[in-house]
Amino acid sequence: DIQMTQSPSSLSASVGDRVTITCRASQSISSYLNWYQQKPGKAPKLLIYAASSLQSGVPSRFSGSGSGTDFTLTISSLQPEDFATYYCQQSYSTPGFTFGPGTKVDIK
Amino acid sequence: QVQLQESGPGLVKPSETLSLTCTVSGGSISSYYWSWIRQPPGKGLEWIGYIYYSGSTNYNPSLKSRVTISVDTSKNQFSLKLSSVTAADTAVYYCARIHGYSTQLGYYYYYMDVWGKGTTVTVSS
Repeated sequence: DIQMTQSPSSLSASVGDRVTITCRASQSISSYLNWYQQKPGKAPKLLIYAASSLQSGVPSRFSGSGSGTDFTLTISSLQPEDFATYYCQQSYSTPGFTFGPGTKVDIK
Repeated sequence: QVQLQESGPGLVKPSETLSLTCTVSGGSISSYYWSWIRQPPGKGLEWIGYIYYSGSTNYNPSLKSRVTISVDTSKNQFSLKLSSVTAADTAVYYCARIHGYSTQLGYYYYYMDVWGKGTTVTVSS
């Protein structure tokens, strides 16, 4: 089975900061990587699919990159509403859809 | 726009079967895959399984022996049954739509683009 890891597990940042979150797969998953944002008490929200495609309605300050085993989610200028937990998810292998452990972004 | 709503008992006794239903509104259940995901208190997301509208399924190997997902296209609903539950099955359970995106080269990318709000299920006597 493919295992997903994320780093860091948490980070503190200020509004306006550039934030980068890394996701690593235990084997190559090509570009079959999605990113979700989850706020407390809410359902996850899709941000990025296919490693770098921005979901409709998601602000352009969010971007995704990578392929193979290493992927990155970048928030170019952190906004107050971006404080949340971010999860990567692979959709490469059957049965698929393994989530990473999450990265919590909170206020410095 | 498509909306999903989970429903079912909020409290289940140990060793019994957890049963939840997800109702799809604002669109048809046809031509999509549909999934269940759960999140134990204070923990991350765990994919449980998915079903195609035609009825084909795929489950997380760690839960496969206890999980059944079914679909009722006439009601625009799909359901989850998890048997022999323990306290470890206490979680918020989400249903979600799986959207497929195909490229010009014929590759399909799948992602969960619509989620229900989630329902809390507690396993306790």
